[in-house]
Amino acid sequence: DSGVTQTPKHLITATGQRVTLRCSPRSGDLSVYWYQQSLDQGLQFLIQYYNGEERAKGNILERFSAQQFPDLHSELNLSSLELGDSALYFCASSVRRGGDTQYFGPGTRLTVL
Amino acid sequence: QQQVKQSPQSLIVQKGGISIINCAYENTAFDYFPWYQQFPGKGPALLIAIRPDVSEKKEGRFTISFNKSAKQFSLHIMDSQPGDSATYFCAASRNSGYALNFGKGTSLLVTP
Repeated sequence: DSGVTQTPKHLITATGQRVTLRCSPRSGDLSVYWYQQSLDQGLQFLIQYYNGEERAKGNILERFSAQQFPDLHSELNLSSLELGDSALYFCASSVRRGGDTQYFGPGTRLTVL
Repeated sequence: QQQVKQSPQSLIVQKGGISIINCAYENTAFDYFPWYQQFPGKGPALLIAIRPDVSEKKEGRFTISFNKSAKQFSLHIMDSQPGDSATYFCAASRNSGYALNFGKGTSLLVTP
């Protein structure tokens, strides 16, 4: 158990809908990262937050957004969902902005029908 | 574009054998190279990591070999066990704490 929690574990929704994925980092970790894992693209970095502020953006679509709250939990919002958004979404956390190990949560499996 | 290329895509090794997975990168700004292990239904977990100031790092049965001039690094699993059957990802980043650029993964099966 990495200490990173993600909810929900599974999410099934329809095209055009909006969903919110939640992540609680390990106690004391200030950085949160979101990754998308799909069969064709592998693990792709989406976005990083450090202590409430956006730090880096990767291949995140404009339909997707995220935020990190004062209690350091983070939410990833996916809107106008398409079939191709079906994937595993992982949250990871690390101690510092330049922290070492990224600890991954168990992921949220999103299925868009 | 894939910044880290990983091979092979899949690997079958007999129990007790050596598993070798290779990765290559292009961005010379990368200076942190971790390997992650992922079991079905779980998130990736850090196995071992190396920085380019050393050419090899060993932790138990797992060894990373790093060749800075060739921009390649590899994972060796000695005395492979059925419990090692998992997907392995190499990754690279500019300093730890930046986003990880992952290879596409290697599915390892260790047969009894």
